[in-house]
Amino acid sequence: DAGVTQSPTHLIKTRGQHVTLRCSPISGHKSVSWYQQVLGQGPQFIFQYYEKEERGRGNFPDRFSARQFPNYSSELNVNALLLGDSALYLCASSYDRQYFGPGTRLLVL
Amino acid sequence: GENVEQHPSTLSVQEGDSAVIKCTYSDSASNYFPWYKQELGKGPQLIIDIRSNVGEKKDQRIAVTLNKTAKHFSLHITETQPEDSAVYFCAVLFGTASKLTFGTGTRLQVTL
Repeated sequence: DAGVTQSPTHLIKTRGQHVTLRCSPISGHKSVSWYQQVLGQGPQFIFQYYEKEERGRGNFPDRFSARQFPNYSSELNVNALLLGDSALYLCASSYDRQYFGPGTRLLVL
Repeated sequence: GENVEQHPSTLSVQEGDSAVIKCTYSDSASNYFPWYKQELGKGPQLIIDIRSNVGEKKDQRIAVTLNKTAKHFSLHITETQPEDSAVYFCAVLFGTASKLTFGTGTRLQVTL
């Protein structure tokens, strides 16, 4: 079975721009969570979605939003990018355990 | 609030030796404690986990112990190999959502 997939793998944006990151969960998993990992730190929880509904939100500004589609894939959107948004964005798919994808590395210049 | 402390931040061992990484947490209601291994340029990989109704769990060279009274849990790696070199994160599940709170990570270096 394929694991969690994320696209794109790398992305370079400039301040003020908008970005959309995508995630496909493991087949059969209905829950997707998003995390931000800044270099040298552990992942920080952003959102959790289950059956297309938001089930949890971390301490991130409203510039961050997400949604989950009927096929359980998910998108993370970040508006008005700041330099501090540069990070590895991780998607985790879960049934009873969370399995992470390879991440999307975002660089904001 | 939710807090997870992890020690040490770096650990260097010789091949064949054991490595131990410790984590403490703040919320006594937490009931799920996974460990992740992250290699350079990759996402975290789940290597072992434990739930609060169990005190110890072992999978080949890897084991995790949990002390709920003291609110700490530990990862034990025996007979370390160079491929064990990576950053290891402990995590705790807080609340009803699947929100994992991670420790700050331990960089393990296994030398020949």
